[in-house]
Order: sequence, then C-alpha cells, then structure tokens
Amino acid sequence: QLQLQESGPGLVKPSETLSLTCTVSGGSISSSSYYWGWIRQPPGKGLEWIGSIYYSGSTYYNPSLKSRVTISVDTSKNQFSLKLSSVTAADTAVYYCATSPVPAASKSWGQGTLVTVSS
Amino acid sequence: QSVLTQPPSASGTPGQRVTISCSGSSSNIGSNYVYWYQQLPGTAPKLLIYRNNQRPSGVPDRFSGSKSGTSASLAISGLRSEDEADYYCAAWDDSLYVVFGGGTKLTVL
Repeated sequence: QLQLQESGPGLVKPSETLSLTCTVSGGSISSSSYYWGWIRQPPGKGLEWIGSIYYSGSTYYNPSLKSRVTISVDTSKNQFSLKLSSVTAADTAVYYCATSPVPAASKSWGQGTLVTVSS
Repeated sequence: QSVLTQPPSASGTPGQRVTISCSGSSSNIGSNYVYWYQQLPGTAPKLLIYRNNQRPSGVPDRFSGSKSGTSASLAISGLRSEDEADYYCAAWDDSLYVVFGGGTKLTVL
C-alpha cells in the first residue's frame, strides 16, 4: 500500500515560487506504471487538478496553470515535486499529492498541506 | 467555474436513496470515464467510483455510479449518517487534463 506525504513551506510570499515535495513509501516511484500528481483545494472550495507526471516522465498540466507549473520526479529519493511560480493570494490552498493508474483515478492521497500566499 | 457541473447541495434522511448528478461535455464525460470522490470533513478525498460504475475494494455496494451521454450520476442507497460528506465527480478531458465538478455537499437529515 503506497503512502504519500507532502512537505514544504506553509507560507510563500506573493510573486515567489511555491515548492512542495511528496515522499512516497511502500513502493518505488520508478517501478510502477503510475501517474504522480498534485491537486489543490482553496479554503472552503472545491478540488482543482494541477497536473500529473507519468513514471516514464510525460507530464500533463491544467491549462489554466500550465505556464506556471512544473512537476518532476526524483527517483533517487523516491519523491516527486511541484513548483508553481509567480504565486498570488489565489494560490492559497491545501495541496494534495496523489498517485493513480490513470490521471483522473487518484487512489492514494497524501494528507494535504496548507500553503498560504501572503506577505 | 468548474468544467463539470454538480448541484451544490443534496440531502436525505437515513435509509433513503439519494442521487447526485454531474454534467459535462463531449470532450470529457462524453468520451471518457467518470470518477467519483468522497471527502469527509477535514480529510483527503477518497476514490469512491472508477470507470463510471466500478467500486474499489472496501467501498460498500450502497454506492453506485452510472453514465449516459455527457452526464453521470452517483447514487447512494440506504443513506447513513456517515455518508455526510462532499462528493466530487471527475473525468479526463480530451484536451489532456483532469476536470472536476464543483462538489456536492450531502447532508443527512
């Protein structure tokens, strides 16, 4: 059973880059034919898919965020990461990492981490 | 504005059957599978239904999904108090990204 845990700063200043890491345990990130993705949820609002990376390296991003998002994998650390540039208050949200056999079927989730964008 | 449209709220009494709708378009629901998630307060979402109507192991058969054309539905029969949660539909879009519904808050009266 895969387990995921997000980590990173809980506070980011406007215009800076939000960086989060998801550590995977219970399996190898490089040996599974899985997608590794990020989903966010602004306080009191619904879910928004940010993007996914396939174990082969192919990436898929939400068009509304594509110009600011990078998702990458570090197989040596069994981690994958999210970078979101030029953040504003609208990027304040709980950020979840998740894994799925196909991008829309997230089966295992991290507990989520709240990132606040504020000066 | 979410790409998939769900009613913001739904309610029912214990034992009742409740359905939640999800409307999309030909580029998402119309040509791809639909997935449903349950999010209990303060927790991460949980995959409830995959490939339109399949339940992961451990999900009670009280939960069922269906799809017709560009719409889908989640049905919960024998409603229980622990079913009170937010429910989200999701689908792959042919533009190569995942779209979510805005979520439906289910209240068990």
